[in-house]
Amino acid sequence: AQKVTQAQTEISVVEKEDVTLDCVYETRDTTYYLFWYKQPPSGELVFLIRRNSFDEQNEISGRYSWNFQKSTSSFNFTITASQVVDSAVYFCALSEARGGSQGNLIFGKGTKLSVKP
Amino acid sequence: NAGVMQNPRHLVRRRGQEARLRCSPMKGHSHVYWYRQLPEEGLKFMVYLQKENIIDESGMPKERFSAEFPKEGPSILRIQQVVRGDSAAYFCASSPQRREAEETQYFGPGTRLLVL
Repeated sequence: AQKVTQAQTEISVVEKEDVTLDCVYETRDTTYYLFWYKQPPSGELVFLIRRNSFDEQNEISGRYSWNFQKSTSSFNFTITASQVVDSAVYFCALSEARGGSQGNLIFGKGTKLSVKP
Repeated sequence: NAGVMQNPRHLVRRRGQEARLRCSPMKGHSHVYWYRQLPEEGLKFMVYLQKENIIDESGMPKERFSAEFPKEGPSILRIQQVVRGDSAAYFCASSPQRREAEETQYFGPGTRLLVL
């Protein structure tokens, strides 16, 4: 069955530290998409990235980078030189191309990141 | 360019009352999804709608919950006879194309429902 696991419930770092948020997924589909969303204290969900199952190239966007490894079914998210504004709950999500849940987002439980000054 | 709009942002209801949550998708988007976030949990899919059509309601409780997306106006998620277990954040998302795995869903700010 499809599932997303974010084993880290809470992480606390000091500003300027690097931090990696783990995401492990399960799916039987060969075509799927992975997403990261950020939920700051204000509560809205902000889209960060989408990655398809055929593209294992890592991606970097400013201080953010994502490491997708199909061999370990992981899609980890690293923030370099963290800042207080990065404090939020981060959700990893999976979308399958086939099957009963096609197109629906399956979310992990989220990782709460606290960045202290 | 407004994003997905949801109102109210906060809603308090007593047990047995009705809750109506509204969602206006992003401009140009005609596909709407509702998700529920229980405390300390990730979001769970409830229902997917296009204008005047419910496409997939597999995640919605069979009783007391209903959703619509009329030709004109916002999508409405309606919860009748609310119970304490309905207390949650309800998020609406929209996409420009029909539901496909690769479509990015853009979320609104959510409605926090508290049932007393």
